[in-house]
Amino acid sequence: GAGVSQSPSNKVTEKGKDVELRCDPISGHTALYWYRQSLGQGLEFLIYFQGNSAPDKSGLPSDRFSAERTGGSVSTLTIQRTQQEDSAVYLCASSTANYGYTFGSGTRLTVV
Amino acid sequence: GIQVEQSPPDLILQEGANSTLRCNFSDSVNNLQWFHQNPWGQLINLFYIPSGTKQNGRLSATTVATERYSLLYISSSQTTDSGVYFCATGTASKLTFGTGTRLQVTL
Repeated sequence: GAGVSQSPSNKVTEKGKDVELRCDPISGHTALYWYRQSLGQGLEFLIYFQGNSAPDKSGLPSDRFSAERTGGSVSTLTIQRTQQEDSAVYLCASSTANYGYTFGSGTRLTVV
Repeated sequence: GIQVEQSPPDLILQEGANSTLRCNFSDSVNNLQWFHQNPWGQLINLFYIPSGTKQNGRLSATTVATERYSLLYISSSQTTDSGVYFCATGTASKLTFGTGTRLQVTL
């Protein structure tokens, strides 16, 4: 597609439930990244994919967080047993060599 | 890890004014980027500028990698320039973002 697409745009979930966030990167972009931004804060790195592999997942905050990428394209970030501190905007970006990131519009997650 | 500092943290400009935003980073890098986050939260990539100078309309950026800083120039500011400007740099696998400069352009 023309840009990075994320869904859903908003998600309200109850504490303890699992959620899945989806990212559809720009076609042909081999690199895909997940970040999160808490209210009024900067961006925090979560995980990096090159193709379907995740050589850097050092930013995942706990084992409740996982992500996968299939077909070198769509990625899914899963948060299990959500907690209130997981509330944030989750941003996905894709890029190709020597070009900057293109970010999606994000998924705003609210855990109540 | 890499440290990224931005200044000033906040800036208020009258429409038509010029400004310079600064980004200092702690280590040599090759993927410095500038982003604008508009009031609706969308992050737009302004420049991928590991070194040298680039211009795009009223915006230009300069990175001096050997001295570990980058500058973003905004000329003839408009109300649509309001938002938060982030610089970011790091490795191929991840960027470290600064805390941003919040810009408000008033009429």
